[in-house]
Amino acid sequence: GESVGLHLPTLSVQEGDNSIINCAYSNSASDYFIWYKQESGKGPQFIIDIRSNMDKRQGQRVTVLLNKTVKHLSLQIAATQPGDSAVYFCAENIGNQFYFGTGTSLTVIP
Amino acid sequence: EPEVTQTPSHQVTQMGQEVILRCVPISNHLYFYWYRQILGQKVEFLVSFYNNEISEKSEIFDDQFSVERPDGSNFTLKIRSTKLEDSAMYFCASGTAQWTQYFGPGTRLLVL
Repeated sequence: GESVGLHLPTLSVQEGDNSIINCAYSNSASDYFIWYKQESGKGPQFIIDIRSNMDKRQGQRVTVLLNKTVKHLSLQIAATQPGDSAVYFCAENIGNQFYFGTGTSLTVIP
Repeated sequence: EPEVTQTPSHQVTQMGQEVILRCVPISNHLYFYWYRQILGQKVEFLVSFYNNEISEKSEIFDDQFSVERPDGSNFTLKIRSTKLEDSAMYFCASGTAQWTQYFGPGTRLLVL
């Protein structure tokens, strides 16, 4: 199977600080990536996506960086808020399937 | 804001029994998906459905699984003869374009 993994299973940050969540992928053929947020008891929620022809994409308080050379994806959350506490997954598209990572649990400390 | 809904939220069944998990996608969406997430593990793709047929399925989606869009609003996942290892959270998702996915809240299936 394909390998999409996360470097750290948990991350704790102070409210107001910036958060960086990392993801490694193994397949150089991956052409599209999505970051999802999953709160307890809910389904994954789309945060931001990026195509392989880009290296950076910004949304509201979030930035995704893609480094194809080292097959690395990161999600940066600016001014992290308590409502950002959740599990964050990266997912990569290969062909007609999506492969999800195991997730990083982000805890925001007030 | 429209959202994907799933019923039931929880289902307990005996091994070997058939289960049907139901989803109501967002009304103008054309692409539909099922995923599962075994407790503590990754979200895994099962199947995608477009234009009234399966467009892609994973190795997990074997002959025990089937999907149907019976009436233009519901999207169902059937597991014919459940196994213990089918216990998981099952997520439905829908979208207007391929891989633009809005997920439902999930159905937690427990096979005893």
